[in-house]
Amino acid sequence: DQQVKQNSPSLSVQEGRISILNCDYTNSMFDYFLWYKKYPAEGPTFLISISSIKDKNEDGRFTVFLNKSAKHLSLHIVPSQPGDSAVYFCAASPIYNQGGKLIFGQGTELSVKP
Amino acid sequence: AAGVIQSPRHLIKEKRETATLKCYPIPRHDTVYWYQQGPGQDPQFLISFYEKMQSDKGSIPDRFSAQQFSDYHSELNMSSLELGDSALYFCASSLGDRRTEAFFGQGTRLTVV
Repeated sequence: DQQVKQNSPSLSVQEGRISILNCDYTNSMFDYFLWYKKYPAEGPTFLISISSIKDKNEDGRFTVFLNKSAKHLSLHIVPSQPGDSAVYFCAASPIYNQGGKLIFGQGTELSVKP
Repeated sequence: AAGVIQSPRHLIKEKRETATLKCYPIPRHDTVYWYQQGPGQDPQFLISFYEKMQSDKGSIPDRFSAQQFSDYHSELNMSSLELGDSALYFCASSLGDRRTEAFFGQGTRLTVV
């Protein structure tokens, strides 16, 4: 049972344009969401997070939007750069979890073309 | 800045052998998590420790065990290895406050032959 879903396995975007990566979740107990970026053979790198009390969080070129009623979040990268090419994982943490366990989506491979 | 250190980076073992993976968290981080990522799959949570006590358990096989030591480093012990255990094993660390993000190590690639 996949509680965090990234339905697009890949995304290709032109340099300078906007990249939009989507993530859906099913567990209403999730209240903290994170995006990680991963290069091959490396560990995931934290990008940005959002708490369920917010609907938007922005950090430089990265903005995460949360729609709790739709159980949907998205990561916007503007403008996209070739160095952004990587696999992006959405992750969620449940309210009751004190250990900070993260449930990951399947990942979306972003390719930014010059 | 110091990051999460995992050793070894690569490990090749035969079926039914034992493997030990080590994780050294970021200084002052008291929580450690272990994840397993199979080929083409998303990272799956195995187990976590907070202040040297197991804090949560995921899909960790009974053949695996882990612990966190007094210096907060953690070791994942894997026995009776199977071919299906071949994967990338990530360790992550964070402060006890779960609102902080977890920082990941570079992973240990285990190959069971």
